[in-house]
Amino acid sequence: GESVGLHLPTLSVQEGDNSIINCAYSNSASDYFIWYKQESGKGPQFIIDIRSNMDKRQGQRVTVLLNKTVKHLSLQIAATQPGDSAVYFCAETYNTDKLIFGTGTRLQVFP
Amino acid sequence: GAGVSQSPSNKVTEKGKDVELRCDPISGHTALYWYRQSLGQGLEFLIYFQGNSAPDKSGLPSDRFSAERTGGSVSTLTIQRTQQEDSAVYLCASSLQGGTGELFFGEGSRLTVL
Repeated sequence: GESVGLHLPTLSVQEGDNSIINCAYSNSASDYFIWYKQESGKGPQFIIDIRSNMDKRQGQRVTVLLNKTVKHLSLQIAATQPGDSAVYFCAETYNTDKLIFGTGTRLQVFP
Repeated sequence: GAGVSQSPSNKVTEKGKDVELRCDPISGHTALYWYRQSLGQGLEFLIYFQGNSAPDKSGLPSDRFSAERTGGSVSTLTIQRTQQEDSAVYLCASSLQGGTGELFFGEGSRLTVL
């Protein structure tokens, strides 16, 4: 079936560096993508979204890039902080209301 | 409350028992979702309610799983004759209208089946 996967299960970065979390999706018809952040013991929280008619969207310290040609999504975090340590999920939807989530990437930030 | 509320936060049960998990969505949100998250895994879609429409049950793993939403608000996820593989965190989320848009998640109900 359709699925969303991630290239790196764990990403370790030094505080202050930029982080890039990658995601591959399998359905070329997907038209909406979201990144969520999940801290230990909590539910996922919305970070940023992007529609398929865009290839880049920026938020506060975060940027999402969408490459529809290779069905790739990335989340860039600028000046990574210890509070950014969490598991990050990408999710897609394709003409339905339910989001399909990937396995997640754990981001570890070292001082 | 201001957010999605789930109860119980933790539930330990014996294999074969039935369990009920409750979700109170954000007031005014018409869409409600249930997801399951096993240890170290992603979020597995279970069921989706949108207003008065028939729920999308395509993610329910077996007929032991069912869910209802009363009055367009509170939802209950019921697992009958629990099995050890049902052990997971069950997450509920709501959104204002359904379709694309931000989901607001509760903190989940951790189910352990012994």
